[in-house]
Amino acid sequence: DTGVSQDPRHKITKRGQNVTFRCDPISEHNRLYWYRQTLGQGPEFLTYFQNEAQLEKSRLLSDRFSAERPKGSFSTLEIQRTEQGDSAMYLCASSSPGISAFFGQGTRLTVV
Amino acid sequence: SQQGEEDPQALSIQEGENATMNCSYKTSINNLQWYRQNSGRGLVHLILIRSNEREKHSGRLRVTLDTSKKSSSLLITASRAADTASYFCATWNTGNQFYFGTGTSLTVIP
Repeated sequence: DTGVSQDPRHKITKRGQNVTFRCDPISEHNRLYWYRQTLGQGPEFLTYFQNEAQLEKSRLLSDRFSAERPKGSFSTLEIQRTEQGDSAMYLCASSSPGISAFFGQGTRLTVV
Repeated sequence: SQQGEEDPQALSIQEGENATMNCSYKTSINNLQWYRQNSGRGLVHLILIRSNEREKHSGRLRVTLDTSKKSSSLLITASRAADTASYFCATWNTGNQFYFGTGTSLTVIP
C-alpha cells in the first residue's frame, strides 16, 4: 500500500489520559499535514511539516498537543490530558511541492 | 481556521442531473483542490487546478477558477447515487498553507 496510512483507526480513551496517533506519509512526499475534523465541519488545519521541520502551528493546537516528525518520514500527534472536546477525526495528509495532497483514512478519537 | 466557504451547504438532486457547487476563498493562492468525503471516511482527492488555469476536466467533473473573484466551481455531470458525499475545496496559498472550506453535502436521489 503506497498511500498515507494512519494508526490507529479508532481510539476510545478516558478523559485525562494521553493519546498518540501515528501517520506514515507517501514515501516521496516531504510535506506532512495534520487536521482535525468534527461532525459536519470541514477539516481544520493543525500543523504542517516540511521534512522534519515543523513550519506552522495553528492556534487550535493548544499546549496539550504536540506533533513530531523526527526523521522527516512518519509523524506522531500526541494529545495530553484529553478532554471531551478533543473528540474528533484526526486526519493526516502528505504532499510534495506543486502536487496534490493525499489523505489517510483518519483516526477517530472518542474521549469518554 | 478555514479559509474557504462552499455554497450551497447542502444540495439534493435526482440521479442523472448535474450538480454545481461553489467555493469562495480569501487569500492569493497557488492552486485549489477539490476533495470528496463519504460519511465517516477520509478525504479523496478529485482534481487540482493551478492559479494560472481557468478550467479543468476530469471524467464527469469540471472545475473552473476565477482568481479575480477568488472563487471556484465544481460541476458533476450526469450524477449517480454513488456521488452522494460531502465535497470540499482546499486552497494552497502563497504562504504554503493549505486550508479547507466548510463543505457542500450532496445527496443524489436514485
